[in-house]
This record gives sequence, C-alpha cells and structure tokens, in this order.
Amino acid sequence: QKEVEQNSGPLSVPEGAIASLNCTYSDRGSQSFFWYRQYSGKSPELIMFIYSNGDKEDGRFTAQLNKASQYVSLLIRDSQPSDSATYLCAVRRGNTGFQKLVFGTGTRLLVSP
Amino acid sequence: ETGVTQTPRHLVMGMTNKKSLKCEQHLGHNAMYWYKQSAKKPLELMFVYSLEERVENNSVPSRFSPECPNSSHLFLHLHTLQPEDSALYLCASSQDGHFNEKLFFGSGTQLSVL
Repeated sequence: QKEVEQNSGPLSVPEGAIASLNCTYSDRGSQSFFWYRQYSGKSPELIMFIYSNGDKEDGRFTAQLNKASQYVSLLIRDSQPSDSATYLCAVRRGNTGFQKLVFGTGTRLLVSP
Repeated sequence: ETGVTQTPRHLVMGMTNKKSLKCEQHLGHNAMYWYKQSAKKPLELMFVYSLEERVENNSVPSRFSPECPNSSHLFLHLHTLQPEDSALYLCASSQDGHFNEKLFFGSGTQLSVL
C-alpha cells in the first residue's frame, strides 16, 4: 500500500464548476497535510495546509481533513482554466526539525472554458 | 522568482560522466532538500540538510553524492549514473521544519542519462 494515494486523473471539469480532489494516507499518526499545485514544466507551490479535522477555507480553496478515515480532500470552487495543473497531496512524516513530506503521485486537473 | 535557484536547467550526460547540480537559496532558510521526480511516480525525498548537517539519506545509491558547504548552497554530485536516473531533480528549502511550514522549490534540473 502506498503511503499517500491519489487518483492520477485527469479530472475534467467545466469552468465555474467545483473540482474535488481526494487523497488517502496510510500512516495514522500523520499530523500535517499539504496540497501543492504543479503547473506543467514548473516546480510545486504550496496552496493549502491543514492539521485539524474539519474544513479550512482560503479563497476559492477548501481543504477537508478526516483523520478517522485517513482522508484529505481539496475543493476548488468556481474553477478557472488557470487552475489546470497537477495537484500533489503531501503528508508530513515524523516530528523532526525539518519538513519531511511524503507525496502522492498527483491528480491532474483540466478545467475547460 | 521563488528564492531558490537551480542550475543547470537541463543536463544530458553519459553513463560514465561526472556532473554536479547546484542549488542556491536566498531566503535565509536552515534546511535544504533534494527531491527526485520521475514520470508517473511521486516526488521522492533523497537528502535533507539541516544547519549544514545531513539529517536524512533516503536509501539513495552512492552514485548520488550531496554536499552542503553552507546554509545557502547545496550540490548533488553525479557519477556513473544509469538511464533510470533520468528525472527532474528538485531542490527545496524551508525555515526550520515547523509542522505547517512551506517548502520552497527551485525550478529543477531535468536530467537525461544516455
């Protein structure tokens, strides 16, 4: 079983719709969870992090965490073509003095005009 | 400009060559990382340096040799690589590893091993 699992997609949504990206993780002791966005040919950039059960909202983005189900999701409201990218779910491993992240393979999102 | 600069952007090398990848961060961070990104595989953590000391070596073959001469610079020395080592190599930095801290990635070096 992979430590962090994501559906590779592509997930296709029309402009203005809600895109829902999902991620499961295997280490029940994981504490912090991150969503990175990676445009084609570019490096990953952080868009959200969450560490408490429930929802966290930032603009059009909402991260949802359910530790009992070991499930993290990212909702993108009012999707725009500029949101087309690969979204990487990452889980922090351990409690060290550096940011040791385990990444999923990413879900490719395509937003059509 | 992310504050993390990697050179070269592209590198083609033969299996018997020796080359080095360079990373420089201008953010005053204390930790620096090397990640490998291969097609259809997740980002794999290779090495971590915290305050210039190597704190993580993720079972990486010895043909990859990291070096961190100071907190702003990180190198990855390559020798006798294999074709399966062809990938995007990403450098990243972070301030101090706080639990919700952001990783800042460089643009990466796309490596092709012939």
